Amino acid sequence: DAGVIQSPRHEVTEMGQEVTLRCKPISGHDYLFWYRQTMMRGLELLIYFNNNVPIDDSGMPEDRFSAKMPNASFSTLKIQPSEPRDSAVYFCASSRTYSGNTIYFGEGSWLTVV
Amino acid sequence: AQKVTQAQTEISVVEKEDVTLDCVYETRDTTYYLFWYKQPPSGELVFLIRRNSFDEQNEISGRYSWNFQKSTSSFNFTITASQVVDSAVYFCALSTNKLIFGTGTLLAVQP
Repeated sequence: DAGVIQSPRHEVTEMGQEVTLRCKPISGHDYLFWYRQTMMRGLELLIYFNNNVPIDDSGMPEDRFSAKMPNASFSTLKIQPSEPRDSAVYFCASSRTYSGNTIYFGEGSWLTVV
Repeated sequence: AQKVTQAQTEISVVEKEDVTLDCVYETRDTTYYLFWYKQPPSGELVFLIRRNSFDEQNEISGRYSWNFQKSTSSFNFTITASQVVDSAVYFCALSTNKLIFGTGTLLAVQP
């Protein structure tokens, strides 16, 4: 089975530009997660969805960040406008259930905002 | 409150040495799950193991073994006869209603 697929793998953008990160979860997984990894803060959960519905977005840093899941096989994380401090690796992950079930991660999207 | 502490920031060993990565967790929940993930230099997060709070049996998988002790709230990871390919950042994680990660331990295995 294919794993979690993320795109783009790498993106360099200028401050103020809109960034859209994309994710395809593993088929049959009901939960989708967006994590951010930085040196300063480690791995942080930004938001997660259950059956395409956002359940907890308390980790989203500010209004510039938004996430959607229009169907079971696709999600986006959008940053508008982007700032240099948004530079990080953004991971998408999915699992069949939530508590206790193994969460499988994509390869990450490496974002650099200059 | 949930918390995962990986006190070892970096460990350097020579190939074939055994190495133990420490993980201490905090939670008030009686049902929880513990995980270890590996992040090699290529950057992806690779699942290694999951343990639930009711199963304190230690587990061995090849050169990897895990020691879960509820009495000390620890879930330590040992690599026996380390190899250069084991060089990576290793994360311990705790799941109750959210999966939270420790800060990771960078393991460098020198040839």
